[in-house]
Amino acid sequence: EVQLVESGGGLVQPGGSLRLSCVASGFTFSGYSMNWVRQAPGKGLEWVSYISGSSSTIYYADSVKGRFTISRDNAENSLYLLMNNLRDEDTAVYYCARRYSSTWGIDSWGQGTLVTVSS
Amino acid sequence: EIVLTQSPGTLSLSPGERATLSCRASQSFTSSYLAWYQQKPGQAPRLLIYGASTRAPGIPDRFSGSGSGTDFTLTISRLEPEDFAVYYCHQHGSSPPYTFGQGTKLEIK
Repeated sequence: EVQLVESGGGLVQPGGSLRLSCVASGFTFSGYSMNWVRQAPGKGLEWVSYISGSSSTIYYADSVKGRFTISRDNAENSLYLLMNNLRDEDTAVYYCARRYSSTWGIDSWGQGTLVTVSS
Repeated sequence: EIVLTQSPGTLSLSPGERATLSCRASQSFTSSYLAWYQQKPGQAPRLLIYGASTRAPGIPDRFSGSGSGTDFTLTISRLEPEDFAVYYCHQHGSSPPYTFGQGTKLEIK
């Protein structure tokens, strides 16, 4: 069974930093691209970032480009999101999500971790 | 960026009725990259349909997807009580940004 477990969320002041982690199990982690997707309170889903299995390809949404850094450690079956210079509008539940294939897209999601940016 | 617009924003129906949800794209893209998700309160989204029309494993056959180009549809043939939720379309094409529609809330009438 595919499992994705996020951690690292919490309350941070504007301008601060936070590092999210996602531990994967139940599949060969290195064989899959991964994404971060967020959801502001009461709002819809927003794609944040993508990383290929080998880390050779990385993409970001314009809203986070230059502030967030996605990375992964295949030996540790872990995905990360380093968030710098956080803004109020970054407040959201952040989901770690597996991309099954180019056709399927995202097929599995973690339970999410809440990031609150507030003074 | 491909903008996805879902309609209606809220759909009020009764169990047993048929639901038709629309997703319109700002520009045409390959239907292979269109997915539909269901999200219930406090839960992560669940994949329903990928490739515009293929049901994900374990998804009941009352859910169906169709469409191409810029117009896509999710149909639920006979609503069950557990189907009342928010539904999102999502395009994950060859080039980012990958985008989601704003969602359609399916509520019990």
